[in-house]
Amino acid sequence: DTGVSQDPRHKITKRGQNVTFRCDPISEHNRLYWYRQTLGQGPEFLTYFQNEAQLEKSRLLSDRFSAERPKGSFSTLEIQRTEQGDSAMYLCASSLTTTEAFFGQGTRLTVV
Amino acid sequence: DQQVKQNSPSLSVQEGRISILNCDYTNSMFDYFLWYKKYPAEGPTFLISISSIKDKNEDGRFTVFLNKSAKHLSLHIVPSQPGDSAVYFCAASPSGTYKYIFGTGTRLKVLA
Repeated sequence: DTGVSQDPRHKITKRGQNVTFRCDPISEHNRLYWYRQTLGQGPEFLTYFQNEAQLEKSRLLSDRFSAERPKGSFSTLEIQRTEQGDSAMYLCASSLTTTEAFFGQGTRLTVV
Repeated sequence: DQQVKQNSPSLSVQEGRISILNCDYTNSMFDYFLWYKKYPAEGPTFLISISSIKDKNEDGRFTVFLNKSAKHLSLHIVPSQPGDSAVYFCAASPSGTYKYIFGTGTRLKVLA
């Protein structure tokens, strides 16, 4: 399978705990994106990497959120001190150009 | 401020008939548009795209029409099949950028 891979698929955590998600993009794709989707909404842009450089962060991404893409390959998204409002599907996508991006299956986070 | 709007939350169509999903946008800087399909518990799957230099793009049973003056695009599925039942998201981005703005989705149900 050469698609975008996300791990874990599901995560249940207690409020206040830290969580980390991983995304492995399609191997030749130098652009990587994180989106968040809540119930009844479309995906919302969180952040974008071109190679290892994080070029933009949405104002949705509070300082409890941090994303990295060391060596321009896989990426991690960490949420510190999780809150119930962080419960959502976190989607990673990658692309080779500025046209269509290919999404992974997402990580569903539930904060209890 | 919803820049990409899908005003029909749901649509039901008989198998074999045409499905028409609509999308309106407000930002005249958008010049690349995409449709994604999403099944429950999965990430969005890229379906078809269109650049603003075109008014129609066709791929098999799927055709996207773009009316720039009306800031409106539509996705036609002919003939509709039960496997097409999913949530369809319209997305838009300004030229040369990486950030997609998604609509809230339309749930299509194709009845056998």
